[in-house]
Amino acid sequence: GDSVTQMEGPVTLSEEAFLTINCTYTATGYPSLFWYVQYPGEGLQLLLKATKADDKGSNKGFEATYRKETTSFHLEKGSVQVSDSAVYFCALITDRGSTLGRLYFGRGTQLTVWP
Amino acid sequence: DTGVSQDPRHKITKRGQNVTFRCDPISEHNRLYWYRQTLGQGPEFLTYFQNEAQLEKSRLLSDRFSAERPKGSFSTLEIQRTEQGDSAMYLCASSLGPLGEQFFGPGTRLTVL
Repeated sequence: GDSVTQMEGPVTLSEEAFLTINCTYTATGYPSLFWYVQYPGEGLQLLLKATKADDKGSNKGFEATYRKETTSFHLEKGSVQVSDSAVYFCALITDRGSTLGRLYFGRGTQLTVWP
Repeated sequence: DTGVSQDPRHKITKRGQNVTFRCDPISEHNRLYWYRQTLGQGPEFLTYFQNEAQLEKSRLLSDRFSAERPKGSFSTLEIQRTEQGDSAMYLCASSLGPLGEQFFGPGTRLTVL
């Protein structure tokens, strides 16, 4: 079945450090891939997305590239800020079959950035 | 755009009691989803509606769970005879179409004592 595997956290970084959070997926068909972010006390928000192979999603300095050959969608940011502290979820949505439209999430990675 | 709203935000109940949660989606969205998130895990799909029709239910949704979306507007999720294992954050999301971006509400945190 469809699934997402996300690197386990937590991740603790100093401000301005480079961030990578690994995400790999298993899917039938041609899924769209997402990164969602959950700030403390807030709901899930879409951070970025990519809908086909080799697409790069980007937002707020974060980037992720849809790699079909390695079934990966790793999240990166060149210089993190304290305000980036949150839980990050990798997710996919299937484009066909009975599960069309259902989001599959990874376990989430807690990121803490220290000043 | 008022976003997706959920009520209540927190619910504490005793084991065996019934609880009901409400979700108000973004008004023009025809799809509405319910997910459950337990501590340290990502959200897991429970069920979804296309307008007023409930089209799929996860195996996570036991017979004690029921969801409705009358008139294709707001939705309710009821849990009967709650168990401690039902303690979780219940999330609602809505989208325009099956592959539209899903917008999430703030969630209802359920604690079963």
